[in-house]
Amino acid sequence: GQNIDQPTEMTATEGAIVQINCTYQTSGFNGLFWYQQHAGEAPTFLSYNVLDGLEEKGRFSSFLSRSKGYSYLLLKELQMKDSASYLCAVMDSNYQLIWGAGTKLIIKP
Amino acid sequence: GAVVSQHPSRVICKSGTSVKIECRSLDFQATTMFWYRQFPKKSLMLMATSNEGSKATYEQGVEKDKFLINHASLTLSTLTVTSAHPEDSSFYICSARAIAAGDTGELFFGEGSRLTVL
Repeated sequence: GQNIDQPTEMTATEGAIVQINCTYQTSGFNGLFWYQQHAGEAPTFLSYNVLDGLEEKGRFSSFLSRSKGYSYLLLKELQMKDSASYLCAVMDSNYQLIWGAGTKLIIKP
Repeated sequence: GAVVSQHPSRVICKSGTSVKIECRSLDFQATTMFWYRQFPKKSLMLMATSNEGSKATYEQGVEKDKFLINHASLTLSTLTVTSAHPEDSSFYICSARAIAAGDTGELFFGEGSRLTVL
């Protein structure tokens, strides 16, 4: 079967750094996405990785290791507005998105 | 970035009525649109994949006669919830995949539509 695993909830302090991990097992691989979702809103795109390595975009970075079936999202200089759910999703060989259950990130002052 | 517009954002209807939700790609053409449903505190569940000019492909367990999907053009897909019941109350989200040279497969999401069936 196909599955995506990520922690259910994480807590971090404002101004700190947090890493959200995602491991996956899918039928084929056409890229891994990270989305941010605030409660009651649609997900917003954060990053896309299809090759191994680190992609940096401002305060957010995403890493991929295809051989390990592993990715992480790194958030730096955390702000209160970063409190949200972070969804990891993998596009399989049929271009279907397989979604993780999301990681709820709680930022404390 | 590319914009996907979903309408209506919120709808309240009586049980037994039908509700249509539109998903438009505003500044790009999308051969493929996806419809998702989100249950409270759970991740998005893919309902169906909609390809322009052909019948939608439904995921297992999704009733195609209840959730009618039409993708009549490269910029518009519609989801109609027929004979809605309270258990259909949910957040419905569409996403579109752009046709473009160097397409990365990135999906662009609509704002979502919250359906409440009384």
